[in-house]
Amino acid sequence: SQTIHQWPATLVQPVGSPLSLECTVEGTSNPNLYWYRQAAGRGLQLLFYSVGIGQISSEVPQNLSASRPQDRQFILSSKKLLLSDSGFYLCAWSVGGLEQYFGPGTRLTVT
Amino acid sequence: GENVEQHPSTLSVQEGDSAVIKCTYSDSASNYFPWYKQELGKRPQLIIDIRSNVGEKKDQRIAVTLNKTAKHFSLHITETQPEDSAVYFCAASYNDYKLSFGAGTTVTVRA
Repeated sequence: SQTIHQWPATLVQPVGSPLSLECTVEGTSNPNLYWYRQAAGRGLQLLFYSVGIGQISSEVPQNLSASRPQDRQFILSSKKLLLSDSGFYLCAWSVGGLEQYFGPGTRLTVT
Repeated sequence: GENVEQHPSTLSVQEGDSAVIKCTYSDSASNYFPWYKQELGKRPQLIIDIRSNVGEKKDQRIAVTLNKTAKHFSLHITETQPEDSAVYFCAASYNDYKLSFGAGTTVTVRA
């Protein structure tokens, strides 16, 4: 069966520091991969999605970037964090259809 | 892109009663409509979905209905139980890869 991992689970970073969040999927090949952000008490905002290695589509212009160096690995990065980057970051995957399944998430607090 | 509106934002029901959440979407080309349940601090979980060639789908105590002409779909939970308390999100696809989410409904089941 498929499993999705995210790390770290929680992170506290100062404003202006860099960020790297990692997502990996097991048990499937060539998944579509997604990064979402959820602000406290809010809905899900799609940040990036990828349909293959090196293929990244950005949904919202912002302080973040994404990369997909391997088939089942998706990385979210920032060079300099802003206070507004705080939130719950969720990675999701789908294969062969529209059903998306979420990872456990990373709770980021920028101080 | 797709715009999804979800109502109500909060819903309180007595245990055993039914709960109904409604969503509308803007893009008539949307063809896939999932519902997610998110418990506090956890990842969203896919609980049921419906495709545009189907008008209704049921899975035990939950059901989803779709009215393509009116561009709205609804989640129905019957015989609510305390474990149904959570935030529920509707979503609609607007291409083969992406989902647009509603803002969420916080459901509280009173014992």
